[in-house]
Amino acid sequence: ETGVTQSPTHLIKTRGQQVTLRCSSQSGHNTVSWYQQALGQGPQFIFQYYREEENGRGNFPPRFSGLQFPNYSSELNVNALELDDSALYLCASSLVEGVLHFGNGTRLTVT
Amino acid sequence: AQSVTQPDIHITVSEGASLELRCNYSYGATPYLFWYVQSPGQGLQLLLKYFSGDTLVQGIKGFEAEFKRSQSSFNLRKPSVHWSDAAEYFCAGGSQGNLIFGKGTKLSVKP
Repeated sequence: ETGVTQSPTHLIKTRGQQVTLRCSSQSGHNTVSWYQQALGQGPQFIFQYYREEENGRGNFPPRFSGLQFPNYSSELNVNALELDDSALYLCASSLVEGVLHFGNGTRLTVT
Repeated sequence: AQSVTQPDIHITVSEGASLELRCNYSYGATPYLFWYVQSPGQGLQLLLKYFSGDTLVQGIKGFEAEFKRSQSSFNLRKPSVHWSDAAEYFCAGGSQGNLIFGKGTKLSVKP
């Protein structure tokens, strides 16, 4: 059984640029959630996708957007990057409600 | 507002000693509750979960947690800590993939 994989593992971007992070769900999981984890903090919910539709969103601005594909893989896009967007971005897939299986994350640094 | 609080930022215990990590939640109704563990540079691994029923739940790696409605708590325990348990522990509550995480408790284990 393949777990949740995220790419890239590390990324450095400049303020104002755009970034796309990718996530491959665990086999058979139809729901994907994205979280932002700032240094020294717990993860914060960005949004969730279920069967290619956004199914819940946290307190993040519209420049954070996402996609889920028919194979349940997912992308997180962030436009107009700000310094405060520097964080570990975690993708989690699930089948049963609430039981999230996390990937190892993408470390984004904005300079 | 819904919240999850972990009062202890950092705890150090001796190897072989018992461990209790505290977690308090604030919700309108009893949420689903979880404990996750995160090693440096890694994603989160589910230790255990509480949905309903028996208030003492068993998890992986010898961990257990007890849900106490009267105290709004869901504390994590382990009778004998191993050096490999050194990591950051997150309590979370919520449903449908939209989890609210505490800020985490870093566990150090001394020989």
